[in-house]
Amino acid sequence: DVKVTQSSRYLVKRTGEKVFLECVQDMDHENMFWYRQDPGLGLRLIYFSYDVKMKEKGDIPEGYSVSREKKERFSLILESASTNQTSMYLCASSLGQGPYNEQFFGPGTRLTVL
Amino acid sequence: AQSVAQPEDQVNVAEGNPLTVKCTYSVSGNPYLFWYVQYPNRGLQFLLKYITGDNLVKGSYGFEAEFNKSQTSFHLKKPSALVSDSALYFCAVRAYGGATNKLIFGTGTLLAVQP
Repeated sequence: DVKVTQSSRYLVKRTGEKVFLECVQDMDHENMFWYRQDPGLGLRLIYFSYDVKMKEKGDIPEGYSVSREKKERFSLILESASTNQTSMYLCASSLGQGPYNEQFFGPGTRLTVL
Repeated sequence: AQSVAQPEDQVNVAEGNPLTVKCTYSVSGNPYLFWYVQYPNRGLQFLLKYITGDNLVKGSYGFEAEFNKSQTSFHLKKPSALVSDSALYFCAVRAYGGATNKLIFGTGTLLAVQP
């Protein structure tokens, strides 16, 4: 079974802090994704990566950056956390370039910015 | 524009009754459609997908979904609901354009099954 793990389940940070969210997958998937989930808005794509050191902006990249130095690891960085970044963050991975490959999700990190 | 709509924020059903969670989509090419389920404080779990072929797709936990091209719908169904099916359900469609298989998600439908 594919396993996607995220470094923290719950995180509390203060406004202005730099925040790192880590995601690791163990199935050698090429693609990795970061989403945020907010009530009534569903999942919104922040960034994704289809190869090591490659990244593309999703629908809401402002205030975020990402890093993918190794195939199995995809990090989301909040350069200067703000209260409107309080949310549930979900990482996902998928195999190859096929349009029909499902994404596998981690358990999520609930981030609170005070 | 590519999009997914889940018209119901919440669906209530009695245990043992059939359930339907609705999803409609808009894409510019062939639709690749997915259903995911999210239990409280958990990540999303894949339920089923439509790629091509038979319009009735069977998935995990007894769920199935019916693809209807003329109505651009992909409704999730189960013949007999269980209390344990209570969760948040997301429909998604493969986004065209770009180098990878991005998904566009609906806003989710909360399914509440009463005992």
